[in-house]
Amino acid sequence: NAGVMQNPRHLVRRRGQEARLRCSPMKGHSHVYWYRQLPEEGLKFMVYLQKENIIDESGMPKERFSAEFPKEGPSILRIQQVVRGDSAAYFCASSPSRQGAKYLLNTEAFFGQGTRLTVV
Amino acid sequence: SQQGEEDPQALSIQEGENATMNCSYKTSINNLQWYRQNSGRGLVHLILIRSNEREKHSGRLRVTLDTSKKSSSLLITASRAADTASYFCATDANGFQKLVFGTGTRLLVSP
Repeated sequence: NAGVMQNPRHLVRRRGQEARLRCSPMKGHSHVYWYRQLPEEGLKFMVYLQKENIIDESGMPKERFSAEFPKEGPSILRIQQVVRGDSAAYFCASSPSRQGAKYLLNTEAFFGQGTRLTVV
Repeated sequence: SQQGEEDPQALSIQEGENATMNCSYKTSINNLQWYRQNSGRGLVHLILIRSNEREKHSGRLRVTLDTSKKSSSLLITASRAADTASYFCATDANGFQKLVFGTGTRLLVSP
């Protein structure tokens, strides 16, 4: 059972370009979380998605950032017109689906290795 | 806003010594989790402690939780150089369906 797979591991973009980060959750997991980690800082929640639904995007910047988790395929975090301040490590986590409103956090979330975005 | 604050920010010890890291949080929680992150790598889940538990063990790890003080501690006994990493606590702040991370403690274990 492969873990959470993120690609690419490293991504370099020039200012103004688009960055697309992919996350394939663990087999059987239908809940995906994206986090951003700036150098020397902790992880900041960005968005929580289920298949074809955005559940909580309270941590997403209002502009240039978007996320999706289609019925088929990986979850995508898209950053348009990147700026230097977007340089960070972006982590994806997944957890299994269960019944109930708070089920997700009664179990561990499995994290991918992250994508390190560098904007030059 | 940051939910958890780890203390100390950095800790340097010798192999064989114990390492204690503390985490304080602000809101009510259902559980608290500790993660380890090696430099440049992803997060590895260490242990989850529920709000109705006071102490939990896993190998050389011991976690305590004091909900009245809104704090938790992670103790690593008989530390090894391989324990060198950053350690983060994470909570489900107010039961919302997301993990909120602290700022982390950077642990350095010297041989």
